[in-house]
Amino acid sequence: GQQLNQSPQSMFIQEGEDVSMNCTSSSIFNTWLWYKQDPGEGPVLLIALYKAGELTSNGRLTAQFGITRKDSFLNISASIPSDVGIYFCAGHLWGNKLVFGAGTILRVKS
Amino acid sequence: DVKVTQSSRYLVKRTGEKVFLECVQDMDHENMFWYRQDPGLGLRLIYFSYDVKMKEKGDIPEGYSVSREKKERFSLILESASTNQTSMYLCASTSARGLYNEQFFGPGTRLTVL
Repeated sequence: GQQLNQSPQSMFIQEGEDVSMNCTSSSIFNTWLWYKQDPGEGPVLLIALYKAGELTSNGRLTAQFGITRKDSFLNISASIPSDVGIYFCAGHLWGNKLVFGAGTILRVKS
Repeated sequence: DVKVTQSSRYLVKRTGEKVFLECVQDMDHENMFWYRQDPGLGLRLIYFSYDVKMKEKGDIPEGYSVSREKKERFSLILESASTNQTSMYLCASTSARGLYNEQFFGPGTRLTVL
């Protein structure tokens, strides 16, 4: 099936640092979604992107839908301890199914 | 507030047992999904359902079956549990009329098969 390559696999950063992660695919997508999963919980949607080139912010989070429709990135500015968790990208092409990346594990040193 | 609930947060079963994982959503969503989550593999789709009594195989349906008798409830069944089915299981739902393709997730069930 379709696959998304998400990187990095994990990050261990100092509180206050900026974070960047991305997803790439060999297929094009119509929608890119970024989810966060807190420890012991289900994923929660952070940002949704619907147009190629779109740049969207949600507080300290910024995400972009790549112009080729095959990639997306998520940036977190000035990280704080509660940013800890697993971040997933997901792509949507048709129907109601999503394709998920393997996730980026974020750890923050305070 | 949208809500997806799963019957158990933690479950321990023995090899060969029949296991039922239940998921309920209160958002009147048509579509429901079962995923398993394993380290380094992300979320992999097991089965999904577009409507009551409808089901479609996902990417890894082997060893699993599902049941959707009511719109709000989607059950995942492990007919004969095996140790390689030890995993986190996540249920999700979404509206067929939604614009955003956003799937709402339950808290997950961590299943251990001994």
